[in-house]
Amino acid sequence: DIQMTQSPSLLSASVGDRVTINCKASQNINKYLNWYQQKLGEAPKLLIYNTNNLQTGIPSRFSGSGSGTDYTLTISSLQPEDFGTYFCFQHNSWPLTFGSGTKLEIK
Amino acid sequence: EVQLVESGGGLVQPKGSLKLSCAASGFDFNSYGMSWVRQAPGKGLDLVADISSKSYNYATYYADSVKDRFTISRDDSQSMVYLQMDNLKTEDTALYYCTVATMMEGVMDAWGQGASVTVSS
Repeated sequence: DIQMTQSPSLLSASVGDRVTINCKASQNINKYLNWYQQKLGEAPKLLIYNTNNLQTGIPSRFSGSGSGTDYTLTISSLQPEDFGTYFCFQHNSWPLTFGSGTKLEIK
Repeated sequence: EVQLVESGGGLVQPKGSLKLSCAASGFDFNSYGMSWVRQAPGKGLDLVADISSKSYNYATYYADSVKDRFTISRDDSQSMVYLQMDNLKTEDTALYYCTVATMMEGVMDAWGQGASVTVSS
């Protein structure tokens, strides 16, 4: 099984900061990497798919990059509504697996 | 607009059974695989079951943790997907989300609000 290791697990940042969240796969996942945002009491929401494709309706301050085993979600200028937990997800091979999550707190 | 509405959650004793339902609308249900993803309280996300469309012979996948205890099925005529959960364990306590990848395989872009399952004596 492919293990997805996210870092950091907890991140505290200020409005306007540039924020990066990392996800490392235990083997090459060929850019089949999605990012989801989850707010308390809500279902996850797709932000980025296949490494760097912005889902419709998602603000352009969100971006993704990476290849092979290493992937990054970047928020260029953090907004108050960006708090929540972020999960990466690989769909290169079964079983499809999520990262353990990064909780983003707004200072 | 894609909508997924789960139902059937509740409190059940260990070794008991429960059947979750997910009513889908707003997309061509027959053409897409459907998945169940669960989230234990305060924990991360796990894909526990998946069923493909008729085009792929309704192929199923189960996470090792639920294999031989859970059964995923679908009724294309009703745009419904189900998760039959038998021999439930306390570690199955979670919020169960119904999801679908309508853009492309592996990209779950629509989620229900979740059905809460609590396994406790």
